[in-house]
Amino acid sequence: EVQLMETGGGLVQPGKSLKLTCATSGFTFSTAWMNWVRQSPEKGLEWIARIKPKSTNYATEYAESVKGRFTISRDDSKSSIYLQMNSLKEEDTATYYCPTGSFDYWGQGVMVTVSS
Amino acid sequence: DIVMTQGVLPNPVPSGESASITCRSSKSLVYKDGKTYLNWFLQRPGQSPQLLTYWMSTRASGVSDRFSGSGSGTYFTLKISRVRAEDAGVYYCQQVREYPLTFGSGTKLEIK
Repeated sequence: EVQLMETGGGLVQPGKSLKLTCATSGFTFSTAWMNWVRQSPEKGLEWIARIKPKSTNYATEYAESVKGRFTISRDDSKSSIYLQMNSLKEEDTATYYCPTGSFDYWGQGVMVTVSS
Repeated sequence: DIVMTQGVLPNPVPSGESASITCRSSKSLVYKDGKTYLNWFLQRPGQSPQLLTYWMSTRASGVSDRFSGSGSGTYFTLKISRVRAEDAGVYYCQQVREYPLTFGSGTKLEIK
């Protein structure tokens, strides 16, 4: 059974940093593409980042809204991906999901609130 | 960026009837391999999105054949036959033709 679990969310002040983790199981993680998607009432569903496997040198793609502030990474030995979020803004407040590359499996999401 | 525009449903839809959800893209989603890179999702209240169809018309694993996707390069329809209470929620289209990958704003389906 495929499982994904996002952790690391919480309340953070604007300008601060936070790191999200997505732990996975039930599929061949090392060859999988992985995404981060966020959802807020204001912006709806928003794809923000993707990471590809080692065979592509872990190629990444980002949405303009997070480029330069967020970094996606992976640890194949832990079947996990990460989202390092720096210089957080109030508009980054959302539920963050880590769906698989084809968006066929999603975790339950983790809430991030950026507020002073 | 490719803009995805979704239509509105005349809610609520009586149980057992059909419902068609529309989505339009600002650019063709047909890739050079001939496939149309359009996904449909259902998000039930309090749940994560669930993939229904990909490549415009291919149903995801375990998805009922009551769901069928169709369309052209820029205009798409998700038809739900014989709607049930469990079909209620918000439906999203998504283009995965090019970066940034973008979603529509969602279409709410209510069942009567």
